Amino acid sequence: DARVTQTPRHKVTEMGQEVTMRCQPILGHNTVFWYRQTMMQGLELLAYFRNRAPLDDSGMPKDRFSAEMPDATLATLKIQPSEPRDSAVYFCASGDRGVGGELFFGEGSRLTVL
Amino acid sequence: QKEVEQNSGPLSVPEGAIASLNCTYSDRVSQSFFWYRQYSGKSPELIMSIYSNGDKEDGRFTAQLNKASQYVSLLIRDSQPSDSATYLCAPYNFNKFYFGSGTKLNVKP
Repeated sequence: DARVTQTPRHKVTEMGQEVTMRCQPILGHNTVFWYRQTMMQGLELLAYFRNRAPLDDSGMPKDRFSAEMPDATLATLKIQPSEPRDSAVYFCASGDRGVGGELFFGEGSRLTVL
Repeated sequence: QKEVEQNSGPLSVPEGAIASLNCTYSDRVSQSFFWYRQYSGKSPELIMSIYSNGDKEDGRFTAQLNKASQYVSLLIRDSQPSDSATYLCAPYNFNKFYFGSGTKLNVKP
């Protein structure tokens, strides 16, 4: 059963600490998206990759956020330093444009910054 | 202006009724349109896609698209309590998926 895997599922940290979230996309998918979801803002697009290359990260606060895809099986989203306003659920999704653009979501990483 | 606009709801309908969910988008070059369902505490899951103007039916779900009006809708017939969730509209433009904030649907038994 192919699925997107995200770790950690839950993370509680203190302001100023570094947070790294990881995502394993579905094997064979060539696009990976990072979203952040809050009650106020809904699903915000942070960054996305195609064939491991970053195509757009304009939705991401550049001073503290970074996204990378070191290989086809791993995407990372890093926050350094973290702030309370970063508290949200972070979703990774992968897709294969050959099937019409459908995105498959991971279960999300719930981040709480105290 | 947000790329995707949806009424946040909640939209309450009785069991067995038709639920109508609406979405407008600002990007005229959007090619494909998707409806995702998200249960509380869960991740979004795809329920419908539509690529051309008109209606597309899949079981109890019908998606409607009008590109000239930049409008897409989702009808749920014979609504069930298990349909209670937030429904997210997502236009797709080549590389980007932008999601609306979603409409919360409550189906009352």
